[in-house]
Amino acid sequence: KNEVEQSPQNLTAQEGEFITINCSYSVGISALHWLQQHPGGGIVSLFMLSSGKKKHGRLIATINIQEKHSSLHITASHPRDSAVYICAVNTDKLIFGTGTRLQVFP
Amino acid sequence: GAVVSQHPSWVICKSGTSVKIECRSLDFQATTMFWYRQFPKQSLMLMATSNEGSKATYEQGVEKDKFLINHASLTLSTLTVTSAHPEDSSFYICSASAGRRNIQYFGAGTRLSVL
Repeated sequence: KNEVEQSPQNLTAQEGEFITINCSYSVGISALHWLQQHPGGGIVSLFMLSSGKKKHGRLIATINIQEKHSSLHITASHPRDSAVYICAVNTDKLIFGTGTRLQVFP
Repeated sequence: GAVVSQHPSWVICKSGTSVKIECRSLDFQATTMFWYRQFPKQSLMLMATSNEGSKATYEQGVEKDKFLINHASLTLSTLTVTSAHPEDSSFYICSASAGRRNIQYFGAGTRLSVL
């Protein structure tokens, strides 16, 4: 079993839909990252969380330390949100989930 | 936020040649830099961790003589893929940390294609 599990693996949505991507982990962590990887491969760090909730534009990330679970929400999704979203947890190193491939259609 | 520059973004080389990839922290001093490798549709895999001024620590299964890492300053780390072969073709990503709270800032990655 992977130490970091993401769901779903693939997600398609219509423009404007509310999207949720989930991340569960089984190890003790100091922080959790949500990353966005575009088709060209470049990675952008969206959030780093150690507790609670963060919001940036249409993106919201939450984490529940007790339940070892985090969610990434995208409100009013847009085709430019199409990317792979990766959850990574900080132990003594970063452990990555396998990613969620999101496609948003007009 | 902090900026990490990775260069080149894409390189094609012949089998047997060596390729150097640079990772620079532009607006902070990176005490630690990380090198990752990503195969298609797979998650990032840590190759090695380098601390400025000391030898890199390689993950199990990563050949240190094949993947030479130099972290000569607080703003620059380089990864050299020596005698590259087609199986080295992959996406290589660096990240840098100032050590505070383990925050890592990612470079945009380098796509290496070995012919």
